[in-house]
Amino acid sequence: SSELTQDPAVSVALGQTVTITCQGDSLRDYYASWYQQKSGQAPVLVVYPHNNRPSGIPDRFSASNSGNSASLIITETRAEDEAAYYCSSRDGTGDRVVFGGGTKVTVL
Amino acid sequence: QVQLVQSGAEVKKPGSSVKVSCKASGDTFSTYKFNWVRQAPGQGLEWMGGIIPIFETPAYAQNFQGRVTITADESTRTIYLELSSLTSEDTAMYFCARDRTPHYDFWNGFGSWGQGTLVIVSS
Repeated sequence: SSELTQDPAVSVALGQTVTITCQGDSLRDYYASWYQQKSGQAPVLVVYPHNNRPSGIPDRFSASNSGNSASLIITETRAEDEAAYYCSSRDGTGDRVVFGGGTKVTVL
Repeated sequence: QVQLVQSGAEVKKPGSSVKVSCKASGDTFSTYKFNWVRQAPGQGLEWMGGIIPIFETPAYAQNFQGRVTITADESTRTIYLELSSLTSEDTAMYFCARDRTPHYDFWNGFGSWGQGTLVIVSS
């Protein structure tokens, strides 16, 4: 299968922890990457395989993988973290990329 | 770090084609995979295809096979996306994105993105 499934929306209280999940068969073979997209902007890579962060991404962002599931965890959530988050991975062929449908995070 | 600058917005008629460009500067060009990702209004991200300039052989998503052509010009460090037989459903923002690591390294997602090119298909 070449699909990744995410919950459409989640809300979190300011300062709390939120976990965003992503499920799909390709995650058994390939680790997920995670992107943050704020309204009207291009996506930004926040976590890449083996739970690494590009420079400038705070350590409040982390990821985990288990079986056919991947998770993005945001701790001490700030108002600026309100955005859509997308997972992606290689698909079963290894030569193509698939995205999840995205999760809109609302900070209360 | 690489900078990706895309061409400007386009308005096209149904049935026509559009060609969007993405110029890369500031880092190695030929050994990285460049990808096109589109986003319809209010919708999620969709990978369309990608190309490694040194190999020139693109890979396409099944949804776009036969309608999409991705090319690379090493002399100008520019990647192109051409989409044909446009319909209103092709109205979207089209992003160019470069792999974070070279093709021979472990895939680490898309580390750099262009600003996006809005394509509107309307009669």
